[in-house]
Amino acid sequence: GAVVSQHPSWVICKSGTSVKIECRSLDFQATTMFWYRQFPKQSLMLMATSNEGSKATYEQGVEKDKFLINHASLTLSTLTVTSAHPEDSSFYICSARIVTNQPQHFGDGTRLSIL
Amino acid sequence: AQRVTQPEKLLSVFKGAPVELKCNYSYSGSPELFWYVQYSRQRLQLLLRHISRESIKGFTADLNKGETSFHLKKPFAQEEDSAMYYCALSSQGGSEKLVFGKGTKLTVNP
Repeated sequence: GAVVSQHPSWVICKSGTSVKIECRSLDFQATTMFWYRQFPKQSLMLMATSNEGSKATYEQGVEKDKFLINHASLTLSTLTVTSAHPEDSSFYICSARIVTNQPQHFGDGTRLSIL
Repeated sequence: AQRVTQPEKLLSVFKGAPVELKCNYSYSGSPELFWYVQYSRQRLQLLLRHISRESIKGFTADLNKGETSFHLKKPFAQEEDSAMYYCALSSQGGSEKLVFGKGTKLTVNP
């Protein structure tokens, strides 16, 4: 149980385009979803916390207008990287949690490459 | 500020040998500590959380508040334990925002 699916797993696109990444909880309802970014050989860095039906809470230094997060339902959150540039290339990972004090369940991640 | 330090990027042991992956943290409040594991080509998954006090796959970890450590231990390593291990911290009963260490890659040699 507690499976989190991320799509796509890998995307390559041109600089200036916008890219949407989906995070779905397949067999549970997630009140909270989290978006992380991981650079090569680095740790996961939390970008934002997303609660269903409300605005996401962004970590310091993360541009809200650059990384748009939508959590319209209890099973789906999306991260849109707007006007992507090569420096946005990274590994993006989402996680989902059923309720407070329960552990987070992670997706497989999405590798984003901007040319 | 919350911080998690895993001093070893790489750790290599032989099968059957004891293994200890170090984790130290910095946090002014009451932390909740976790160990996550990522096997090759698989997603990150929870291995242990300190409040559960359980042993998973032979691994244990004890929270030492005096030394601000949460080292992961296993008395007899197996080849299938080879993976990337991340220590993580969150505020207890709070927002559950996770702060991760940089990870330790464990290789268990036959």
